[in-house]
Amino acid sequence: AQTVTQSQPEMSVQEAETVTLSCTYDTSESDYYLFWYKQPPSRQMILVIRQEAYKQQNATENRFSVNFQKAAKSFSLKISDSQLGDAAMYFCAYCGSSNTGKLIFGQGTTLQVKP
Amino acid sequence: GEEVAQTPKHLVRGEGQKAKLYCAPIKGHSYVFWYQQVLKNEFKFLISFQNENVFDETGMPKERFSAKCLPNSPCSLEIQATKLEDSAVYFCASSRYVQETQYFGPGTRLLVL
Repeated sequence: AQTVTQSQPEMSVQEAETVTLSCTYDTSESDYYLFWYKQPPSRQMILVIRQEAYKQQNATENRFSVNFQKAAKSFSLKISDSQLGDAAMYFCAYCGSSNTGKLIFGQGTTLQVKP
Repeated sequence: GEEVAQTPKHLVRGEGQKAKLYCAPIKGHSYVFWYQQVLKNEFKFLISFQNENVFDETGMPKERFSAKCLPNSPCSLEIQATKLEDSAVYFCASSRYVQETQYFGPGTRLLVL
């Protein structure tokens, strides 16, 4: 069975600085999708970024980028120029090509942004 | 609509009572997923639908949980005889295709007393 691990329960970053959130996963599949979702205190789940495993190029969305290392099964999220509005819980999620589309989530990392 | 809608936002039930949650997926999305987020923030997959057909129900506690997606109606998740451990936020998500990005609704917070 596939698993997703986020080993950092909490992270802290100074406003305008850069922070990296870690995510590792375990799978025997070669084709899959990885996501980072942001969950602010409102509990709304907001898609941050998506990566297809067959793409070698790392996905980027404005200040958010990933470091996807397929061989190491690692999928870290880098947030540049951190803003106060980035404070939230971040979840890494896996979707395999053979698991009917359900997302398998990591435990989450709470990001605090200090002014 | 352009967003996944979930009702109600909050639901309080006494232990043993029934709870029914609703979800309207984004128009044009064929897949609906239900997830349960418990107090420790863990997400658990419950069930998914492809249009009105059950697609994957491997996460459903079969005894007390049931779900439907009928044509021209919101999808529903029903819990018969709620238990204290059912207290959680229940999220609905929809996607156009099975491995496309899932867009989440705001969730229904269920409290069982």
